[in-house]
Amino acid sequence: QKEVEQNSGPLSVPEGAIASLNCTYSDRGSQSFFWYRQYSGKSPELIMFIYSNGDKEDGRFTAQLNKASQYVSLLIRDSQPSDSATYLCAVSPSGGSYIPTFGRGTSLIVHP
Amino acid sequence: EPEVTQTPSHQVTQMGQEVILRCVPISNHLYFYWYRQILGQKVEFLVSFYNNEISEKSEIFDDQFSVERPDGSNFTLKIRSTKLEDSAMYFCASSEELNNEQFFGPGTRLTVL
Repeated sequence: QKEVEQNSGPLSVPEGAIASLNCTYSDRGSQSFFWYRQYSGKSPELIMFIYSNGDKEDGRFTAQLNKASQYVSLLIRDSQPSDSATYLCAVSPSGGSYIPTFGRGTSLIVHP
Repeated sequence: EPEVTQTPSHQVTQMGQEVILRCVPISNHLYFYWYRQILGQKVEFLVSFYNNEISEKSEIFDDQFSVERPDGSNFTLKIRSTKLEDSAMYFCASSEELNNEQFFGPGTRLTVL
């Protein structure tokens, strides 16, 4: 059973701070890693993907991947109240399947 | 910007009835998926579809479920005899390539009474 673990939160940060969201996964051979944002009652929206070890930056978002330690994180700089949502980590496994396994998500609250 | 669309947004049905959920994937995408999310739980994979056939399916996708691409644009999920536990949000997604970013539609909320 391939597992993707996230702290359910909520993670509460003040506006303007850096929010750090973490995800660990069990399948050492996983190749692709995705972060989705999901507002309450809405569908997941892809915000970042990363395939290689290291950091990938896109605007206020940075994804960090450490395959040796089997974790992937998402940093949100200058957090805004509109960033308040649940952040889903999704990991594509090894072994011929390309279907991502989703974590339960971390609820982020950015308070003014 | 192209997007995945789904209809209806909300479907209410009686237990034992058949439902068909519809999706229009992004036009140049080749891979299509159905997921479900029971309220408060994680997104679960149901089935993937490529080149007019199922490429992968999960344990959830049993004989009660079927998928079809009846024409060049629509992608449907049929549940033959709905159960109470089928109540969930059903999301359609599509991707340009395998193991590529998947884009989700807005979902259909299915309520089985």
